[in-house]
Amino acid sequence: DADVTQTPRNRITKTGKRIMLECSQTKGHDRMYWYRQDPGLGLRLIYYSFDVKDINKGEISDGYSVSRQAQAKFSLSLESAIPNQTALYFCATSEPPGLAGGWNEQFFGPGTRLTVL
Amino acid sequence: RKEVEQDPGPFNVPEGATVAFNCTYSNSASQSFFWYRQDCRKEPKLLMSVYSSGNEDGRFTAQLNRASQYISLLIRDSKLSDSATYLCVVNYNFNKFYFGSGTKLNVKP
Repeated sequence: DADVTQTPRNRITKTGKRIMLECSQTKGHDRMYWYRQDPGLGLRLIYYSFDVKDINKGEISDGYSVSRQAQAKFSLSLESAIPNQTALYFCATSEPPGLAGGWNEQFFGPGTRLTVL
Repeated sequence: RKEVEQDPGPFNVPEGATVAFNCTYSNSASQSFFWYRQDCRKEPKLLMSVYSSGNEDGRFTAQLNRASQYISLLIRDSKLSDSATYLCVVNYNFNKFYFGSGTKLNVKP
């Protein structure tokens, strides 16, 4: 079984609809992230959470909200979807840095392809 | 200005060739550096971390130049299976990761 799962994998919706993308992980990591990927722009951070009580905005949080229901679950919502939110969305997890400030690789889910018409 | 910039390519090389990618970053306080590999329509996966002294993993060598604020990835003896998009990633304060838009590599028979 995959360590980081995302549902749905594909979604087509209409402008103005509310959409929730879900992410679950079995890695036991405290840190979770939501990104979107657009052609030519790379991955951009939407929100991140360092534990259940900690939620932070990323560089492109407008139009999005998140909920960290448990250590293992981090959901992304589009309250009123618009066409320019059409993108590939990735959830990721990581461990915090080590005591010596060591490396902290991110582990990604398989992505959700969202199309807003 | 983007936090991380990469040549999008594509780099089209024959099997067995050596190919190198560079990536520049804007924040001199950047602390961690990585190369990720992303296959078409798939999630990014860590290829290798980049250490200050440079590091090698089989056919792959990564270098960091803090003075000029760039990192590089060298792939020797390219295989067809190396065809993918290579993402440069940096972070600082260990809080946020900044991704380049990726460099596409096509290895041809």
